[in-house]
Amino acid sequence: GAVVSQHPSWVICKSGTSVKIECRSLDFQATTMFWYRQFPKQSLMLMATSNEGSKATYEQGVEKDKFLINHASLTLSTLTVTSAHPEDSSFYICSARVPSDTQYFGPGTRLTVL
Amino acid sequence: SQQGEEDPQALSIQEGENATMNCSYKTSINNLQWYRQNSGRGLVHLILIRSNEREKHSGRLRVTLDTSKKSSSLLITASRAADTASYFCATDAFGGGNKLTFGTGTQLKVEL
Repeated sequence: GAVVSQHPSWVICKSGTSVKIECRSLDFQATTMFWYRQFPKQSLMLMATSNEGSKATYEQGVEKDKFLINHASLTLSTLTVTSAHPEDSSFYICSARVPSDTQYFGPGTRLTVL
Repeated sequence: SQQGEEDPQALSIQEGENATMNCSYKTSINNLQWYRQNSGRGLVHLILIRSNEREKHSGRLRVTLDTSKKSSSLLITASRAADTASYFCATDAFGGGNKLTFGTGTQLKVEL
């Protein structure tokens, strides 16, 4: 159990376009999901906390207008990178928390902005 | 930065040997979690240890927690080539809203 999926696995887009990444909890409901980004050979940095039915809480330094988060249901959160630029190229990973406090992570989405 | 530190940054051992990774953190915690990441992949949850626990085992994994020193260690016994990966500790800070703060990670390479 506790499987989290992400779609797409990788995406290449042109500068200025928007990209939507989906995060789904497949076999459980998650009231809280988290979005992280990871640069090559570095650790994960939390971007925002996504709460079902309410606005996301963003970490300091993360632009909420650039990284739009929607948590429309108990099994789906989406991250939209708006007007993407090359510096947004990164590995984006979501996680979902279960009642035992463990967080289960998706397989990640590699975004490359040309 | 609240990010935890892990050491060593990289570790190379022979198959069959034990691998020990250490994690230090800065705040009071509810729990500490260890994760494994293969190159370019998502994270796999290994063990969660709560602040009132001192040691936990899962198969070949042994995790210790010393809240007085704000440190934890992950021991992998009888390592295998398939254990080659990056290992991260992550802390769930007390009053932090269940957000995880990740350590810098240890790259483990197990050679045949």
